[in-house]
Amino acid sequence: QVQLVESGGGVVQPGGSLRLSCTASGFNFSSYGMHWVRQAPGKGLEWLTYIRYDANNRWYAESIKDRFTISRDNSKNTLYLQIRSLRIEDTAIYYCAKDAGFRIRQYYFDFWGHGALVTVSS
Amino acid sequence: DIVMTQSPDSLAVSLGERATINCKSSQSLLYSSSNKNHLAWYQQKPGHPPKLLISWASTRESGVPDRFSGSGSGTDFTLTISSLQAEDVAVYYCQQYYITPPLTFGGGTKVEIK
Repeated sequence: QVQLVESGGGVVQPGGSLRLSCTASGFNFSSYGMHWVRQAPGKGLEWLTYIRYDANNRWYAESIKDRFTISRDNSKNTLYLQIRSLRIEDTAIYYCAKDAGFRIRQYYFDFWGHGALVTVSS
Repeated sequence: DIVMTQSPDSLAVSLGERATINCKSSQSLLYSSSNKNHLAWYQQKPGHPPKLLISWASTRESGVPDRFSGSGSGTDFTLTISSLQAEDVAVYYCQQYYITPPLTFGGGTKVEIK
């Protein structure tokens, strides 16, 4: 069965950096686009970024495009999110999510990880 | 950006009764060449990640109970739970995938038992 497991979350000071990982199993990772979505405490869902199955295309939400970088290593079935210059408002659960399209962009999410909590606090 | 507006913010429904959630987009999500609406519905139970219920506005995912149904076209969409069960207590989100980036979600509707 499809599994997505995020790691790398924790408490970070404002201005700091963090790299989240998402390890995938149960499907052909190299054939699917992947996304990161976050959810601030008690709030709704915010899409952040997408990477194509072969990493040849990436999209970012305008609000984070200068500080966040998505990448993937298909040989390790792993998705990454590098976050720089962390702000208090970046405090959230960060979910990786699988795109529903096999080697095409569908842009909706058929499986989600359980999330990694990032807390930005001094 | 396409703005997604859900209503109500919350609703309380008796067990076995119908729950109706509305989602309105700021522009049409109907792709004319395919005649498909690019809208998905998700269910998020407390302490869990979202789960895909419905794609293309009305296509139920495998394993989703048939008491869940999606309808609508263009800018107005509805998620209906025909007979509310205790395990349906959750927050429900709509999401558009017509114009990207960005992908955008509605603000969520919390469903509780009356």
